Amino acid sequence: QLQLQESGPGLVKPSETLSLTCTVSGGSISSSSYYWGWIRQPPGKGLEWIGSIYYSGSTYYNPSLKSRVTISVDTSKNQFSLKLSSVTAADTAVYYCADIRDYYYYMDVWGKGTTVTVSS
Amino acid sequence: QSALTQPASVSGSPGQSITISCTGTSSDVGSYNLVSWYQQHPGKAPKLMIYEGSKRPSGVSNRFSGSKSGNTASLTISGLQAEDEADYYCCSYAGSSTFDVVFGGGTKLTVL
Repeated sequence: QLQLQESGPGLVKPSETLSLTCTVSGGSISSSSYYWGWIRQPPGKGLEWIGSIYYSGSTYYNPSLKSRVTISVDTSKNQFSLKLSSVTAADTAVYYCADIRDYYYYMDVWGKGTTVTVSS
Repeated sequence: QSALTQPASVSGSPGQSITISCTGTSSDVGSYNLVSWYQQHPGKAPKLMIYEGSKRPSGVSNRFSGSKSGNTASLTISGLQAEDEADYYCCSYAGSSTFDVVFGGGTKLTVL
């Protein structure tokens, strides 16, 4: 059964770069059936799609975050990663990774989420 | 990319039925039958409840159903139970030239 697990620092300073990794287990990140995505949720607020990546490296980003976001994939480690640059307090959120079914665009399996706080 | 519109809150008594609406535009909900719905309990990750507008994943109760009319998708929960109390989010595919996914703002369901 597919499982996803986020990892990374829980505290990032303003203006620095947030870096998170999602490890996929129970399946291959190179599956042609899935994209792999990042979604975040600020405290007390709703879900926001950040972006996604295919195993081939093709990426798709939320236009509102595109200038600051980089998503990459490491098929040898069965992992994909998120980098968000020039962070501010508004980037404080729970960050989730999830699989995204190709052609149908739904998120079937989610990680448990990791809380990232932006503060000096 | 604008968020889909959901009511902030809905409520119902045990055994009743409720419907949560999700209004988009002709560029997202209205153009594609690719709306999904997620249930989120406090402190937990979202859980897929409906995909492709009306399909249920294995293990999801048949009390949950989805539909669409024009630019509005709906989630109906029948026979409300206490454990249904949660936040619900709709999501739609919104692009063809780019991979563009948009969420609704979320609806808090209270079981009275």
